Amino acid sequence: AQKVTQAQTEISVVEKEDVTLDCVYETRDTTYYLFWYKQPPSGELVFLIRRNSFDEQNEISGRYSWNFQKSTSSFNFTITASQVVDSAVYFCALPGTDKLIFGTGTRLQVFP
Amino acid sequence: ETGVTQTPRHLVMGMTNKKSLKCEQHLGHNAMYWYKQSAKKPLELMFVYSLEERVENNSVPSRFSPECPNSSHLFLHLHTLQPEDSALYLCASSQDVWGQGEETQYFGPGTRLLVL
Repeated sequence: AQKVTQAQTEISVVEKEDVTLDCVYETRDTTYYLFWYKQPPSGELVFLIRRNSFDEQNEISGRYSWNFQKSTSSFNFTITASQVVDSAVYFCALPGTDKLIFGTGTRLQVFP
Repeated sequence: ETGVTQTPRHLVMGMTNKKSLKCEQHLGHNAMYWYKQSAKKPLELMFVYSLEERVENNSVPSRFSPECPNSSHLFLHLHTLQPEDSALYLCASSQDVWGQGEETQYFGPGTRLLVL
């Protein structure tokens, strides 16, 4: 069965530090997609990225970057030079048989 | 207005009340979803609608009753709720229901519900 594990419950950093959020997944599918969402205190889940398992190239979008390692079933998310506005809960997700399976989330607190 | 909107943003209700949550998507999507997010629990999928037809119901108690009058609107009717139903209720939409898992779901801001 599909499963997503985000072992880091909470991370605290000081502004401008780099931080990496871990995501490990389990799936029997040979092709699949992976997602990251951000949930700021306002509550809305904001879509960040969708990756296809065929594409193992790392992706960079501004201060955000994602490291997809199929060999270790990991899809880690790095924020470079973190800012206070990055404070949120971040969810990794994987499509299951009939629904999107979310990890339990990592709460990131960035202090000024 | 763009994206997915939800009203009300906050709701306090007694156990004997009847209320409704509303979701509207302005993305031209065909699928809509209700999720429940309780403290320290993973997101729970409650209902899925595709082209106004319910395609998924994950054993949700009957005190939650969804309604999808058209592909842009989704309601969640609430009656005789319990305090443990207090949670953030999130609505989402996607172009189509996941087929191969490639559909990206876009979420609304949620309704924070407190049942007294």
